[in-house]
Amino acid sequence: SAVISQKPSRDICQRGTSLTIQCQVDSQVTMMFWYRQQPGQSLTLIATANQGSEATYESGFVIDKFPISRPNLTFSTLTVSNMSPEDSSIYLCSVVWADAGANVLTFGAGSRLTVL
Amino acid sequence: GDSVTQMEGPVTLSEEAFLTINCTYTATGYPSLFWYVQYPGEGLQLLLKATKADDKGSNKGFEATYRKETTSFHLEKGSVQVSDSAVYFCALSGKSGGYNKLIFGAGTRLAVHP
Repeated sequence: SAVISQKPSRDICQRGTSLTIQCQVDSQVTMMFWYRQQPGQSLTLIATANQGSEATYESGFVIDKFPISRPNLTFSTLTVSNMSPEDSSIYLCSVVWADAGANVLTFGAGSRLTVL
Repeated sequence: GDSVTQMEGPVTLSEEAFLTINCTYTATGYPSLFWYVQYPGEGLQLLLKATKADDKGSNKGFEATYRKETTSFHLEKGSVQVSDSAVYFCALSGKSGGYNKLIFGAGTRLAVHP
């Protein structure tokens, strides 16, 4: 079955630094998204990663804080910039596979970030 | 806007007990409804879905019926196993959010003991 690879799987970061998370898929996808899951909470959509153009951000998320790239159909990165402890979360890449039904999202295992 | 409300956890059950996790939603139009499961240390996996009223989604012994009259999509399983211990998320995708964007409930943690 198709695979989503996310890395790093976890990291501990210092306040004020930035970290880039990578998401690689091994099959064609129609859409890619980035979600955040704060400790003990549900998932919140950060943005839709658009291939070859700027990401589409949800309310409350901005490009300066969460720059996203998607240079091709199967790869995307999310950067968490100038981190603070409030950014400690699990960040998840999700995709809609090209051969899957509409609305069916598949998620990567997530990247657990702890900011000290 | 669209939203999903789930029963709070944790839910603690003995093996072979009956499970119900309540989920209700608010949405414009006719959303699609989903249950996702997150096993410890893993990513979310789609458990089941329903795309129109009265549809029943089922998988791995779990079932949920799309009830438009009560705006509900409760998850049930007749006999849970220890391996069902996980966090369960109810979600919808609907017109206001774009059909590929999911809105999640808060999640319900299920712990099943032998």
